[in-house]
Amino acid sequence: KAGVTQTPRYLIKTRGQQVTLSCSPISGHRSVSWYQQTPGQGLQFLFEYFSETQRNKGNFPGRFSGRQFSNSRSEMNVSTLELGDSALYLCASSLEAQANTIYFGEGSWLTVV
Amino acid sequence: QKEVEQNSGPLSVPEGAIASLNCTYSDRGSQSFFWYRQYSGKSPELIMSIYSNGDKEDGRFTAQLNKASQYVSLLIRDSQPSDSATYLCAVNRGNQFYFGTGTSLTVIP
Repeated sequence: KAGVTQTPRYLIKTRGQQVTLSCSPISGHRSVSWYQQTPGQGLQFLFEYFSETQRNKGNFPGRFSGRQFSNSRSEMNVSTLELGDSALYLCASSLEAQANTIYFGEGSWLTVV
Repeated sequence: QKEVEQNSGPLSVPEGAIASLNCTYSDRGSQSFFWYRQYSGKSPELIMSIYSNGDKEDGRFTAQLNKASQYVSLLIRDSQPSDSATYLCAVNRGNQFYFGTGTSLTVIP
């Protein structure tokens, strides 16, 4: 079956702009979580959605937001981009909320210039 | 103090040798422990999970957990060049995953 699909795969934005990333989970999976990966900080948890509700949130500023649709697809948005937001943004899906096994998508590489 | 600490490496081993990767975690409330492999430019892939003290073997991989020492390790036997990747240790605590920054492993043919 198809894995977790993230779009776009690569993008370049300018400081101050905003960006929206999309994630389609594995068919049948209802939970989607988002992570930011940078060389210095590693993988850091952004938030988790289940049944269109945010269940958990990491320690990121309010510029980072997300949502989940009724078909379990999810989007995350970053407003007023900063250079430090350059990172690989990974989406992971699981069958249920707060599950032990999560499956990652290929990620969206964001570069802020 | 970080939730999960790993030696960033790089760790180099010759082909056929045993690679040993280590990880410590800070919170005794951590419940589940995982090892992910991440090839350069790719997403993390789950290779092992362990939930109770002791060893768990899966093919060439063995995960070891010592909750008293708050220590998790991954042994890769008969290392192959295709094992060259970054290995991420992760713990699940309070239904949230915490990842280490990863250990880079190179297997030299």
